[in-house]
Amino acid sequence: SQTIHQWPATLVQPVGSPLSLECTVEGTSNPNLYWYRQAAGRGLQLLFYSVGIGQISSEVPQNLSASRPQDRQFILSSKKLLLSDSGFYLCAWSVQDYLGELFFGEGSRLTVL
Amino acid sequence: AQRVTQPEKLLSVFKGAPVELKCNYSYSGSPELFWYVQYSRQRLQLLLRHISRESIKGFTADLNKGETSFHLKKPFAQEEDSAMYYCALTRTGANSKLTFGKGITLSVRP
Repeated sequence: SQTIHQWPATLVQPVGSPLSLECTVEGTSNPNLYWYRQAAGRGLQLLFYSVGIGQISSEVPQNLSASRPQDRQFILSSKKLLLSDSGFYLCAWSVQDYLGELFFGEGSRLTVL
Repeated sequence: AQRVTQPEKLLSVFKGAPVELKCNYSYSGSPELFWYVQYSRQRLQLLLRHISRESIKGFTADLNKGETSFHLKKPFAQEEDSAMYYCALTRTGANSKLTFGKGITLSVRP
């Protein structure tokens, strides 16, 4: 069966520090991968998605970047965190022929102080 | 551009009362609509999709293209239905992106 893991679950970082959130999928190959940010009252905002290794699409301009170094690995990064980067980040995957079903990770709570 | 609107942030009902969670969308093409649910301390997961025309946990949702709506309904709410619900939209075809609404918290009181 397929599983998705993301870590760390909780992270407290000072402003200006770097960020790396990791997400890996097991039990499937060549998945679509996604990073969402979930904020109260603002819903789920798609940040990045990837249809293959090295292929990243950005949905909104921001202080974050994403990379896909391996087929089932998706990384969310920042060189210098801002206070506004605080939030709950969700990684998700779907099959390539995509019928709308995303499988989400447990999320990572980032607090920037 | 595709957009999903969930006009209410919170719906609080008593157990046994009917529930309707509203969702409206805007999209010029042929959409696929979904409802996702997040129970307390659980992952966000798919509840149902309009193409399946199925009832999940007593919930149903009918796509109304004339009103561009996809409201989620349940005739008799249960306490375990308390959760965050998101309506979502994508276009048909491979490698489509899913656009979510802002979500609504459903609270079912005993």
